[in-house]
Amino acid sequence: AQKITQTQPGMFVQEKEAVTLDCTYDTSDPSYGLFWYKQPSSGEMIFLIYQGSYDQQNATEGRYSLNFQKARKSANLVISASQLGDSAMYFCAMRERNSGNTPLVFGKGTRLSVIA
Amino acid sequence: DTGVSQNPRHKITKRGQNVTFRCDPISEHNRLYWYRQTLGQGPEFLTYFQNEAQLEKSRLLSDRFSAERPKGSFSTLEIQRTEQGDSAMYLCASSGTQGPRTGYTFGSGTRLTVV
Repeated sequence: AQKITQTQPGMFVQEKEAVTLDCTYDTSDPSYGLFWYKQPSSGEMIFLIYQGSYDQQNATEGRYSLNFQKARKSANLVISASQLGDSAMYFCAMRERNSGNTPLVFGKGTRLSVIA
Repeated sequence: DTGVSQNPRHKITKRGQNVTFRCDPISEHNRLYWYRQTLGQGPEFLTYFQNEAQLEKSRLLSDRFSAERPKGSFSTLEIQRTEQGDSAMYLCASSGTQGPRTGYTFGSGTRLTVV
């Protein structure tokens, strides 16, 4: 069963605008972690932001924020003030039994294109 | 520390040949992961080491695949008798014991093309 679903294969956003990338997940484990990664054309996966299932507040890291809706099992990434350098693939990932020992499971990704 | 290093960056091989990839993790990281990524897909987990012990292997890791991490430092991933379906990006990642909030640090990957 697909544990991470990213329904947007591609998204376009105007430079300096905000954009939301969708992610829904499926787990019965009460302890889990949610991650977002950016993959530019160079291929390297860059860690952006983390949200734990027990965290009371939504995570923020600079221009990145995670809109965590636990009951809906969604963990959308919001990028504010988009820049041309934000053009890349974005992957949502989850780790169950959030002890640090369980491998991450990734979604299929969303390709973001920022337009000048 | 320059991060996670993977070699080679690109590999073209003929079907049926064996190939070996190397990953050098961040030196203080005790966990090392191998993932495979095909075009249009997210990374898929292959296997995971904690120090020198291989703790988990995916069903994707057929008997033609073998991974090692001698002495808990660098790791190698070998594919024997390569098939065209093995063409993919092979990603290595490492993580430490800082707890679940830290993500993995990935290398730039090795792109394998089987012709």
